[in-house]
Order: sequence, then structure tokens, then C-alpha cells
Amino acid sequence: KAGVTQTPRYLIKTRGQQVTLSCSPISGHRSVSWYQQTPGQGLQFLFEYFSETQRNKGNFPGRFSGRQFSNSRSEMNVSTLELGDSALYLCASSTQGDTEAFFGQGTRLTVV
Amino acid sequence: QQQVKQSPQSLIVQKGGISIINCAYENTAFDYFPWYQQFPGKGPALLIAIRPDVSEKKEGRFTISFNKSAKQFSLHIMDSQPGDSATYFCAATDSNYQLIWGAGTKLIIKP
Repeated sequence: KAGVTQTPRYLIKTRGQQVTLSCSPISGHRSVSWYQQTPGQGLQFLFEYFSETQRNKGNFPGRFSGRQFSNSRSEMNVSTLELGDSALYLCASSTQGDTEAFFGQGTRLTVV
Repeated sequence: QQQVKQSPQSLIVQKGGISIINCAYENTAFDYFPWYQQFPGKGPALLIAIRPDVSEKKEGRFTISFNKSAKQFSLHIMDSQPGDSATYFCAATDSNYQLIWGAGTKLIIKP
């Protein structure tokens, strides 16, 4: 079956702009989590959606938001981009959230 | 109490040697402990996982050892190969279904 698909793979934005990233989970998976990964910082949890509801949230400012649609596809939005938002953004899906999480290849965001 | 502490941050092992990565946690409500492997340019992928009702799980050259009383678990890679060079993350999950991640270990296997 198809894996987790993240689009776009690469993105360059200017400070102050906003960006929307997309994640299509594995068919049948209802949990989608988002992570920010920067060199030396590991995986920083942004939020998790389950059946269109935000179930868990990490410690990120309100500029970071997300949503999940009825088909489990998810989007995350970052408004008023800052240079420090440059990172690899990873999406992971799972059936319930406590079983195996399958990751996409990520979206590499560069803010200039 | 929600943290998972992983060590070492980086590790260099000779080919054929044993690689050992350790993780410790405080929250006794954690009930699922996976290890993920990440290669450059890729997302992490599940390597092996354990639940607290067993003390050890082995899959090929990879073994998780789990010590419930000490609240520690570790990944052992036997006969380490250059292809094992990657970043390894331990994690734990609680009843809220949120994965709590360790900081990662960059493993380099020298030929």
C-alpha cells in the first residue's frame, strides 16, 4: 500500500510569509502527527490529529497550526515565517497513535 | 516526567562490534517503547518495539533490553555493519497516544 506522502518536498519562503504543508496518511490511518526536525534538536512534536480533532499539542507558538480533513489528510500552516522556522517538517500516520508510526520523507522548508 | 533521556549523543563502533544505545524514562504510565532508525534525507522508520511485560525482544541483529524497575531500555546492535550507520531514536508512548522522543544517537560504523 502507498506510504505517507508529504508535499511539497522542498520549499523556500521569505521571512514574514506563510506556508502550508500537506500530508496524506496511509489509507485507514486516522492519526496524523507533525514534527519539526532541525540538526542537533531531534524530533520536536508539533501536534497530533485523530479523526479531525487535535488530540495532542506540543510547545510551539500559535503561528503553527494544523487541521485534519474527513479523509484523514492533514495540513499544517506556519504564519509570519521566521528564519528559525527553517527545518525538516515530518508527518507520521498511525492507526491509533500508540502503534507503529509511519513517516513521510518530510518537507524541507528554508526561510530566507 | 514526560521526558525520555537518550545517550550517547553520538557513537562510533568498529564493523563487527556491538552498538549499545540507552534510554531512560520517569513516567511509569508509558506502555510502548519503540526504536526508530533514520537515514539522511529520509523520515524515521520503526526498527523494533517492546511493551513492558517482556524484558527482551530480539529481531535479527537488533535487541531491545527492558528494565522496568530501573525505568531503562536499550538497543543493542550485534555484528554492526556500515549500513547500520544512521540516527537512532528511542521513544515511549502513554495513554494519550503521544510519542515522547529521545534526542537521538548518531551511529557511525567504521569499516
